[in-house]
Parts: sequence; C-alpha cells; structure tokens
Amino acid sequence: KQEVTQIPAALSVPEGENLVLNCSFTDSAIYNLQWFRQDPGKGLTSLLLIQSSQREQTSGRLNASLDKSSGRSTLYIAASQPGDSATYLCAVGKAAGNKLTFGGGTRVLVKP
Amino acid sequence: EAGVTQFPSHSVIEKGQTVTLRCDPISGHDNLYWYRRVMGKEIKFLLHFVKESKQDESGMPNNRFLAERTGGTYSTLKVQPAELEDSGVYFCASSQVGDRALYTFGSGTRLTVV
Repeated sequence: KQEVTQIPAALSVPEGENLVLNCSFTDSAIYNLQWFRQDPGKGLTSLLLIQSSQREQTSGRLNASLDKSSGRSTLYIAASQPGDSATYLCAVGKAAGNKLTFGGGTRVLVKP
Repeated sequence: EAGVTQFPSHSVIEKGQTVTLRCDPISGHDNLYWYRRVMGKEIKFLLHFVKESKQDESGMPNNRFLAERTGGTYSTLKVQPAELEDSGVYFCASSQVGDRALYTFGSGTRLTVV
C-alpha cells in the first residue's frame, strides 16, 4: 500500500528566501507525481506534473525533482513571496488515469 | 474553459439525514474522481468514473455512499444516512484520457454533519 509523507508539516520563512518542500513515497513503482497548491477554502491547483521517466520539471520560480528509486520528490520555490503562502500537496499515481495517493501537505507561510 | 464545478460549497445536515453532492467536470473529460479530506487526515480517494462506468470504487467507505454519473456528464455523490464521521471536504476532479493528463480539481464541498 502506497504511503506518501510530506515533511515538514508547516514552514515559515521571510520573503525572498528559497523554499524547499519534501515528499517521500514508499512504493517506487509510480507512474507520475504531481504537486498541488491549495489556498484556504479553495480547491487544489496543479503546479507541476512529473512522469516517472523524468527527473525534474520547471515552471517559472518552481522546480520539482523526482528520484523514483529512493522514493523522493522535492519542490523548490525560488525567491519566495507572500503570495506563495498556501498548503502544498504532493500526490503519486500508479498508472495513467489512476487514482492519486496524497501526502498530508506542507503549510507554508511567507512573511513580508 | 469552465473549471470543475461543485455544489453546494457548504452543507450542514443532521445525523441521519441525506445529502447529495454534485460535480460538473470539465467538458470532454471522461475521467471523473471523487476524493475527500476529513479533519486532520490526508486527502483520500473515493472512486473513479470513466464516462458513466465506475472504474474503481475501492475507496468508498461503506454502502451509505452512492455515486452516479448519468450519461457520462455530471456526477452525484449521495450520503444516506449521514453520520458524524462523514464530515469533511469532498473534492471532485476530472481529467482527459491520456497518459499525461493533468487533474483539475473543484473547490470542494464542505460537509458538516451535526
């Protein structure tokens, strides 16, 4: 049974600092991994999708790496801004179109 | 393009009552998923439709939950009778069929059973 863990559960940084969010999963036989952002009272917004054959994906200030063999992914957010304050979730899928298994999320606060 | 729409956004019902949640996926998305997050826990999968067929319902907690997707368009999730432990946020997501399809989530329905 796949288990996904995100550490830390909460993180507070001053504006401008780089953010490093960790995600680990127990079963390395994944098809893809996705990072989401959730704002309070809102739905999940997809940030980056990494296929199992990829090592990383980049979008603007966001970079996500994937080390499938060790069961880890890291989301880097460069030069954090107060608008980056949200909960960040990672989720893994076992096959195309398959259900996602989520981690508990990391709640991020970027202080001005 | 309209996103995934869920309603109601909030629902407060008494234990023993029935509640029906609705999800309208993005037009053309054959995959539709229900997930829920109960207080303090991770988001958990409930079930997956491909068009009108249930592809995977392994996450449905018990037979008080009934999901339908009429004509492969919108979906409903009925809880009957509701129990206190059913409280949480119910999310719907949709995606196109395809190996790189991104999931698009709705804003969720916050269900409170009192």
